[in-house]
Amino acid sequence: DTGVSQDPRHKITKRGQNVTFRCDPISEHNRLYWYRQTLGQGPEFLTYFQNEAQLEKSRLLSDRFSAERPKGSFSTLEIQRTEQGDSAMYLCASSPGGFNEQFFGPGTRLTVL
Amino acid sequence: DAKTTQPNSMESNEEEPVHLPCNHSTISGTDYIHWYRQLPSQGPEYVIHGLTSNVNNRMASLAIAEDRKSSTLILHRATLRDAAVYYCILRPAYGGSQGNLIFGKGTKLSVKP
Repeated sequence: DTGVSQDPRHKITKRGQNVTFRCDPISEHNRLYWYRQTLGQGPEFLTYFQNEAQLEKSRLLSDRFSAERPKGSFSTLEIQRTEQGDSAMYLCASSPGGFNEQFFGPGTRLTVL
Repeated sequence: DAKTTQPNSMESNEEEPVHLPCNHSTISGTDYIHWYRQLPSQGPEYVIHGLTSNVNNRMASLAIAEDRKSSTLILHRATLRDAAVYYCILRPAYGGSQGNLIFGKGTKLSVKP
């Protein structure tokens, strides 16, 4: 399968714990995006990378959130000291360029108890 | 960023055409109109996009009003697999938020057998 993959698909954690999600984009896609989606809402942009450079962060991305794409391939999104309000679907997407269509992964569903 | 307005939900019968409307009265001359859809428990997927002229692809057709203040996504023969949330999104050709997708709530399409 050559699509965008995300791991894990589901994560249940207790409030205050740290969690890390991984995204593997389509090979050779230089753009990688993270979005968050809560129930009944459309996805909201969090941040994006051009190769290994993080070029934009939404104000939704608080200090507890950090994202990396160290070699310009896979990316990780870490949430420190999780809160119940962090419960959401975290979606990753990749594209070959800025204005090309974005290809989304299946998402990681986070539940914070 | 320009906003779009879509009905919250629509119903269709299987094998009948579906017309999904989108209003974007504040669209600028360089905004492309993109449509994505999100099937249950999946990430969004690209459907179609256009600027001024009507567009067709294997998934759907996009009809754009002459003044570009509205558009319609047309599914020519709805199938049960087309049941999804459909998002109409404006993307600037340059500048703006560097290709991030700004999703609204979309239209939830139900298809009855």
